[in-house]
Amino acid sequence: DVKVTQSSRYLVKRTGEKVFLECVQDMDHENMFWYRQDPGLGLRLIYFSYDVKMKEKGDIPEGYSVSREKKERFSLILESASTNQTSMYLCASRGQLNSPLHFGNGTRLTVT
Amino acid sequence: RKEVEQDPGPFNVPEGATVAFNCTYSNSASQSFFWYRQDCRKEPKLLMSVYSSGNEDGRFTAQLNRASQYISLLIRDSKLSDSATYLCVVKPYSSASKIIFGSGTRLSIRP
Repeated sequence: DVKVTQSSRYLVKRTGEKVFLECVQDMDHENMFWYRQDPGLGLRLIYFSYDVKMKEKGDIPEGYSVSREKKERFSLILESASTNQTSMYLCASRGQLNSPLHFGNGTRLTVT
Repeated sequence: RKEVEQDPGPFNVPEGATVAFNCTYSNSASQSFFWYRQDCRKEPKLLMSVYSSGNEDGRFTAQLNRASQYISLLIRDSKLSDSATYLCVVKPYSSASKIIFGSGTRLSIRP
């Protein structure tokens, strides 16, 4: 079974803080994703990575950056957290192009 | 028009009933199709992939109709534990990163 692990289930941060969300997968998948999910807006892609050090902006990259230094790890960085970044953050990985996504158990971030 | 549309529900059915959801997609060049379930405040979990010939996994049956551009999910003999939101997911050919999620159909099974 694919295992995608997100480092924190719940986080509370203050406005302006730099926030790191970590995600690790154990299946040697090349493709990794960061989404946020908000009520009424569904899942929205923040960033996608298709290989080590390779990344592609998603639909809502503003205010975020990512790092993929090792194949198994994909980090999402909020450079200066704002209250509108309060959300559920979901990491996912995928093997082959037509394979399904496998999600981590999510990080519920609150920015106060 | 949304790229993937689902009836949001909620569907409220008695235990043991059969329930079916449809999901329509607008891009005829869509490549892969999936159903996920998501429990409240949890991550989406893969329920099943959807194949052109249709496929079954226990009480769950998925169908794909490319001509009419919809996929369906049928749940037989529903259980209380089937209560969840069901997400239709479509991957078009266009790019590696583009994956389109439906907004989900809420299902509530009552005793």
